[in-house]
Amino acid sequence: DGGITQSPKYLFRKEGQNVTLSCEQNLNHDAMYWYRQDPGQGLRLIYYSQIVNDFQKGDIAEGYSVSREKKESFPLTVTSAQKNPTAFYLCASRTGAANTGELFFGEGSRLTVL
Amino acid sequence: AQSVTQLGSHVSVSEGALVLLRCNYSSSVPPYLFWYVQYPNQGLQLLLKYTSAATLVKGINGFEAEFKKSETSFHLTKPSAHMSDAAEYFCAVRRGGSSGSARQLTFGSGTQLTVLP
Repeated sequence: DGGITQSPKYLFRKEGQNVTLSCEQNLNHDAMYWYRQDPGQGLRLIYYSQIVNDFQKGDIAEGYSVSREKKESFPLTVTSAQKNPTAFYLCASRTGAANTGELFFGEGSRLTVL
Repeated sequence: AQSVTQLGSHVSVSEGALVLLRCNYSSSVPPYLFWYVQYPNQGLQLLLKYTSAATLVKGINGFEAEFKKSETSFHLTKPSAHMSDAAEYFCAVRRGGSSGSARQLTFGSGTQLTVLP
C-alpha cells in the first residue's frame, strides 16, 4: 500500500538531546512537509521541500533541521535549541499542483521531552 | 496574508442530527479552501476542497461545504451525524502569492466533534 510512514510513533528524550524523526513515502511525490501540532493550535509548518536536495523554512523552523537527500525520505531533527519540543509531529507529502493539491499525512510521532 | 477562523473548538451533536462546523477565512485574493479530518493519534485526511469551480463541494463520508464569498465562509455540513464522525476537523486556506511559502496551507485551530448516542 502506498503511503507515508513515520517512526517512531512515540519518543521520550531528556532535555538537551537531539532527536531525529523519520518520514518515508512511497507515493512518488516531490513535495514533502513537516508540521507541529499542539492542542488548540492547529498545525504549524516547520519545514517543507519541493524537490530533492532543496528545502525551505516554514513558520517555526527555529530549533529544527531537515535534509532531503532522497525523494522518498524527509527526516526531521529536533535539536537542543528548540525551547519547547514536546509535541505531536506530522509529516506530509503533496500530490497535484502547488495551489490545489492534496496533502497526505503520516500517522505522526509524539515526542515527549522529560 | 490569509487566515482561517474556526468558530467553536468543541461541537456536540446527537447521532442522526445535522452537523455544522464553521469556518471563516480572510483573503485578499480568491482562496483555495480545504477541510481535513483527524482521528485520535492519527494524521489528517482530506474531506473536500474548493478550488474555484462549483461553490457547493461534496466530499467523502457524506460531508459537503459551501463557499460563500459574500460571507467569507466555508462551513462544513453533514445532514445526519454518525458515531464514526467523532473526530477533529480542520479548515485550511492556501496562502496567496506566487512564492513557495505563499502557496503553503494555513490551518485553523480545529473543531472537536462529539457525537452523542
